[in-house]
Amino acid sequence: TQLLEQSPQFLSIQEGENLTVYCNSSSVFSSLQWYRQEPGEGPVLLVTVVTGGEVKKLKRLTFQFGDARKDSSLHITAAQPGDTGLYLCAGNEASGTYKYIFGTGTRLKVLA
Amino acid sequence: EAGVTQFPSHSVIEKGQTVTLRCDPISGHDNLYWYRRVMGKEIKFLLHFVKESKQDESGMPNNRFLAERTGGTYSTLKVQPAELEDSGVYFCASSQELAGVEQYFGPGTRLTVT
Repeated sequence: TQLLEQSPQFLSIQEGENLTVYCNSSSVFSSLQWYRQEPGEGPVLLVTVVTGGEVKKLKRLTFQFGDARKDSSLHITAAQPGDTGLYLCAGNEASGTYKYIFGTGTRLKVLA
Repeated sequence: EAGVTQFPSHSVIEKGQTVTLRCDPISGHDNLYWYRRVMGKEIKFLLHFVKESKQDESGMPNNRFLAERTGGTYSTLKVQPAELEDSGVYFCASSQELAGVEQYFGPGTRLTVT
């Protein structure tokens, strides 16, 4: 069974700081998504990366897919309290199906 | 455009009872997925519909779970009889035909079996 490990599990930082969240696996994924989830809601899609080495930017968020498509990172610049939430990565197995394997999650708290 | 909706938002039932969860996907999305998160664990895939057909049900835990999508619109997930370990949050997601890469999630149904 493929496993996506995220690190760190928990992160508490001050407003204005930068941070990076990692998503790692020993398996190859055909695509990978990043979600943010808030209490009582479902995961909200932030970005999808499909090409090894791909970098996507969404305002202060930068997403990178590893060259070998086994890992990904999410970097937040100048974090704000509104960035607080649970960040999840999810990989699509390279099997032609659309079954996503979810990461263990990183719970981020940004203090004002 | 309305997002994925799920009903109910919460359900508390006793062990042995039956519960039916409903998911309405985004209009026009042929692909519908069920996932669940049990306490302390990551979200796990249950099954995938393409229109009314089950494309992949490899994640269904056992035969107490029955998913249907008659007519290819909304879907139901029935648990009968419910066990304590079925407690968790059940998410539904949908995606467009031939673009299953981007899945959009509903708010989830929190199921508590006592």
